This record gives sequence, structure tokens and C-alpha cells, in this order.
Amino acid sequence: DSGVTQTPKHLITATGQRVTLRCSPRSGDLSVYWYQQSLDQGLQFLIQYYNGEERAKGNILERFSAQQFPDLHSELNLSSLELGDSALYFCASSVDRGEAFFGQGTRLTVV
Amino acid sequence: SQQGEEDPQALSIQEGENATMNCSYKTSINNLQWYRQNSGRGLVHLILIRSNEREKHSGRLRVTLDTSKKSSSLLITASRAADTASYFCATVDYGQNFVFGPGTRLSVLP
Repeated sequence: DSGVTQTPKHLITATGQRVTLRCSPRSGDLSVYWYQQSLDQGLQFLIQYYNGEERAKGNILERFSAQQFPDLHSELNLSSLELGDSALYFCASSVDRGEAFFGQGTRLTVV
Repeated sequence: SQQGEEDPQALSIQEGENATMNCSYKTSINNLQWYRQNSGRGLVHLILIRSNEREKHSGRLRVTLDTSKKSSSLLITASRAADTASYFCATVDYGQNFVFGPGTRLSVLP
């Protein structure tokens, strides 16, 4: 158990819909990262938050947004969903520049 | 853009053999990390090597880092079928940005 919790584990939704993925980082970790992994592909960095502030942005679509709350949990909002958004979405947390701890991911299927 | 790029993309070996995976990167780093991912699961941290280190060992894992060539290698010795997984390198810069490469898919055949 990495200490990072992601909910839900699975999500099936229709095109055009909006979903929210949730991540609770390890206790004490201020940084939260979101990644997208399409089938058998590498991880695409989406966005990073540090102590509530956006720190870095990667290949995140305008239809996607995220935030980190005062209790440090984070949410990734995906809207106007398309078939191509089907993927595993991972959240990771870390302290400073050390080891990143990954959640088990949310598998999103858009039908 | 990708920072770390693993090579090869896929590797198939027999149990007991050694597996070597390489990672190249482009910019200055604070450290480089290797992760393992079993199919569809979250990534698990294997080892971290700092920019001022050249080699590090952990069990059957050996990691080297050559900052002049901007490259790293991961060696798994005496591989086992259970080592079958995808392996990713991640570079971490001084801004705390983690960037993962596309990964190497390792298959260890019994």
C-alpha cells in the first residue's frame, strides 16, 4: 500500500459527460501529480500541485482541470469526454524531489 | 516533450539472464528514479540516484548514472519470471518536475 488513495477505481461514462477523479496523497506529502496512461503507453504528465498551488502543467487538455484543496487532496475534472479520453489516470504524491508514491489509478472508460 | 527516453522499448530474456535497460534525458536533473509497473497497476519506486552519484545498488538492481552523457542504466541480475513488468525512468529537476519516459517492457521467460 503506497498510502495514496484514488477513487473511484473504475468509471464508465458516456461521451460528452463530465467526471471527477479524486486523490488523497500520503500523509505529509505536499506535492500531487496527475498522469494519464493510455493502453500500454507511457505516462503523460498532466499537472502538478504543491501545497495548493499549481506548480507545473504538462499535456493537459483545456477540457481538463484540477485543483488541490487545503487538506491537500486533489481532484481532476474531465469534461466533454471523448472516446480517446479512455485511459488510466494516476495520481502520485511526493515530498520535495524524492520518491513518488503512486495510487492504483482510476480506469476511465468512455463509451 | 519527453525528458527520459528508455531503450529498448521491449526486451525478452530467459530466467536467470541479466536485463539491462537504458534511459537518456535532455536537461539538468536533481535525481533520476526507476519505477516498475505491473500491467494496469500503479507504479512502484525501485531506486533513486542523485546527480552527484554514479552507481547505486539495491538487491538485484544496479543503477548507473552518467551526467556527462545524460544517461542512466538499470541492470536486473539473475532475472525471474516475476520481474516481468514495464520499467520506467523518471527525471526530477530542481523545480521538482517528475517526467517519465515511455518505458521498457520486460518479459522474463521461464
